[in-house]
Amino acid sequence: GNSVTQMEGPVTLSEEAFLTINCTYTATGYPSLFWYVQYPGEGLQLLLKATKADDKGSNKGFEATYRKETTSFHLEKGSVQVSDSAVYFCALRGSQGNLIFGKGTKLSVKP
Amino acid sequence: NAGVTQTPKFRVLKTGQSMTLLCAQDMNHEYMYWYRQDPGMGLRLIHYSVGEGTTAKGEVPDGYNVSRLKKQNFLLGLESAAPSQTSVYFCASKITTGGRGEQYFGPGTRLTVT
Repeated sequence: GNSVTQMEGPVTLSEEAFLTINCTYTATGYPSLFWYVQYPGEGLQLLLKATKADDKGSNKGFEATYRKETTSFHLEKGSVQVSDSAVYFCALRGSQGNLIFGKGTKLSVKP
Repeated sequence: NAGVTQTPKFRVLKTGQSMTLLCAQDMNHEYMYWYRQDPGMGLRLIHYSVGEGTTAKGEVPDGYNVSRLKKQNFLLGLESAAPSQTSVYFCASKITTGGRGEQYFGPGTRLTVT
């Protein structure tokens, strides 16, 4: 079945460091791919998405490119801020419009 | 426009007690979902609904029941709570199953079963 694997955390970075969170997927066909972010004590918010191969999703300085050759959707940001501290989830769309999530990666950014 | 709301925010139950979690959305969305979030497990789909009066099982449906009597509400019931159901429960809604629709999440309900 469809599944998502993302890098284990936690990830701790200094402010202004470069961020990469790896995400790979297994799926039938080419489903839409997503990154969601969960700030402490809150629900999930959509960060970015890509609906077809080679699409690049971007938002708030974060980017991810849908790579069908490597079945990957890695999240990157050039310069992280303390306010980016959160848990990040990679997900793909299932057959009923549901989301199939990875286990999440906790990011802590130190000043 | 409140988006997706969940009631209650926190609850502690004893083993064997029952309760109902309420999810409400004011965006006229057709699709609604219940997920549970456990440490190191990500979110897993419990049940979902593709429209008023319809429900279907997700990945982890055992021990839960749901109802969608009104389009805007999706109820999750625990008939006899067990410690394994200690989790954070999230509701989400989506306009249709189309590829472009975004899922909107509620703030979650933290449930502890002792």
